[in-house]
Amino acid sequence: DAEITQSPRHKITETGRQVTLACHQTWNHNNMFWYRQDLGHGLRLIHYSYGVQDTNKGEVSDGYSVSRSNTEDLPLTLESAASSQTSVYFCASSEARNSPLHFGNGTRLTVT
Amino acid sequence: GQQVMQIPQYQHVQEGEDFTTYCNSSTTLSNIQWYKQRPGGHPVFLIQLVKSGEVKKQKRLTFQFGEAKKNSSLHITATQTTDVGTYFCAARGGATNKLIFGTGTLLAVQP
Repeated sequence: DAEITQSPRHKITETGRQVTLACHQTWNHNNMFWYRQDLGHGLRLIHYSYGVQDTNKGEVSDGYSVSRSNTEDLPLTLESAASSQTSVYFCASSEARNSPLHFGNGTRLTVT
Repeated sequence: GQQVMQIPQYQHVQEGEDFTTYCNSSTTLSNIQWYKQRPGGHPVFLIQLVKSGEVKKQKRLTFQFGEAKKNSSLHITATQTTDVGTYFCAARGGATNKLIFGTGTLLAVQP
């Protein structure tokens, strides 16, 4: 069965370090998204991609970057981790731009 | 920019009672999606509404899209402990047509 996999599931890092969260999907979806989830804020869009070599900023993109070199992967990089980036991060993909999202299991990131 | 408000933030019910969560937007929506997230889990898609006034049912769950396409509701009849989780609406509309999630309603069901 097709799936979307995030790694690691849990990560603890120090302030100022660069961190990369992996997202790999086997749905062959062109559309991929990164969200962060915090209490009281729901899910907020960080970055998204509509295809290889395409990346776009979401509503909370500062301090984050993504790259899309193939269809399957959209890694999320925190250039210099800050305590405010402690959160649960979800990757998602969709068949079409308006289609429902398939979410990964999430990565819980703690920045100390 | 587009905002999506969801109420209530939290609802505690006795098993067998009904439950409703409401989603309101400041702008007209092209469509709205509903997701359920179990504790410790990830959001799972439930349904999408597109048409004005649309009503869809999934067993004990009833989803409605408002006539003006600015609001939506999810109603659960006779809740069960398996309904526990956070219910999110996700609305698409406005100039960017991006999918914006509501803040979610956490449902607790007491047996």
